[in-house]
Amino acid sequence: DAKTTQPTSMDCAEGRAANLPCNHSTISGNEYVYWYRQIHSQGPQYIIHGLKNNETNEMASLIITEDRKSSTLILPHATLRDTAVYYCIVSAHNAGNMLTFGGGTRLMVKP
Amino acid sequence: NAGVTQTPKFQVLKTGQSMTLQCAQDMNHEYMSWYRQDPGMGLRLIHYSVGAGITDQGEVPNGYNVSRSTTEDFPLRLLSAAPSQTSVYFCASSYGAGQVYEQYFGPGTRLTVT
Repeated sequence: DAKTTQPTSMDCAEGRAANLPCNHSTISGNEYVYWYRQIHSQGPQYIIHGLKNNETNEMASLIITEDRKSSTLILPHATLRDTAVYYCIVSAHNAGNMLTFGGGTRLMVKP
Repeated sequence: NAGVTQTPKFQVLKTGQSMTLQCAQDMNHEYMSWYRQDPGMGLRLIHYSVGAGITDQGEVPNGYNVSRSTTEDFPLRLLSAAPSQTSVYFCASSYGAGQVYEQYFGPGTRLTVT
């Protein structure tokens, strides 16, 4: 399985964009990039996923480099409620291939 | 929909005791899984199921059993609790093949083994 590398922690000012990087240099052609977040003590929450094209939904945008070796999750206007641990995960869409969570990035949004 | 529910929310066991953590979902999801999360760590997969009657081991299956007799329920059994099993346990579910990406997680069960 491909592994990911994320910074341990990041700060962001409230109202500014939060850009969370992820390296996945050994990603395979059939593997997707997923992002989840975990707000303190709660179960993880799905944010977004992508294969090779950039993706946007109501929560965030996902930018994947052309070589697919890295990606960036963008929260366009971070709020205090976005303070959480953000996990970048790569996995294929085949049966039984469950998600492998690494250490994630602890994002602190500050007033 | 209630989503994914887990009981109990908190549990304290003595070493050697057994118990079952309950997990249920009302979204008719095919896939269900159990993760554990130790303090300051990411989630690790214990067992998973791709449908009723089908289960498989994840990354850290030792000391745990599962069964999937219905689509809705996926209980996790601790056979003989050990202090190393002190953790937060999360159950998750998702749609079937091709849509594994969006997993829905329960609120967790906080287990302490003394």
